Amino acid sequence: DAGVTQSPTHLIKTRGQQVTLRCSPKSGHDTVSWYQQALGQGPQFIFQYYEEEERQRGNFPDRFSGHQFPNYSSELNVNALLLGDSALYLCASSLFSGFKPQHFGDGTRLSIL
Amino acid sequence: KNEVEQSPQNLTAQEGEFITINCSYSVGISALHWLQQHPGGGIVSLFMLSSGKKKHGRLIATINIQEKHSSLHITASHPRDSAVYICAVSRVNYGGSQGNLIFGKGTKLSVKP
Repeated sequence: DAGVTQSPTHLIKTRGQQVTLRCSPKSGHDTVSWYQQALGQGPQFIFQYYEEEERQRGNFPDRFSGHQFPNYSSELNVNALLLGDSALYLCASSLFSGFKPQHFGDGTRLSIL
Repeated sequence: KNEVEQSPQNLTAQEGEFITINCSYSVGISALHWLQQHPGGGIVSLFMLSSGKKKHGRLIATINIQEKHSSLHITASHPRDSAVYICAVSRVNYGGSQGNLIFGKGTKLSVKP
């Protein structure tokens, strides 16, 4: 039973570029949440997708957008990359109707030059 | 002031010692989570609790809802326990999803042999 998988594992971009990160949830999960973790900090909530809709959003600009597909997988898109977007991006999946912890992927480390 | 505060930020222990990590929060929650993050970045959920105490192996987590405080204890610590331990809370929100976690900055634990 595969857990949460994220791709790619590492990515290097330059300022102004656009990036797409991908996440496949754990089998049986229907909800995907994305988090940004800067070096030495705790993760910060970006947004959550359920039923192909953005259900909740943290304090992130519109440059951050996402999508959820019918198979529950999700993408995180970041436009007009800034140096400050360098971070570990974590995806977590869960069951929307369940009172159970989220399962996390290993993350995508994004470096902006 | 952060909504979730952890202490200490760094902790060094000798193998076999009893370890306590503390977490205080200032928002209404539906659950509190203790998570473990290894240097590679992946996050593993250790506990999710809304009241009382939970135990798993050498790990014990407690929560005091009235005082908005939780502790994670590790008995008979071992070098393999070395990791970052993160406290996070799920805010009370609509539906049953445990998304939108608010994280503390983490406690870096190093257990020396």
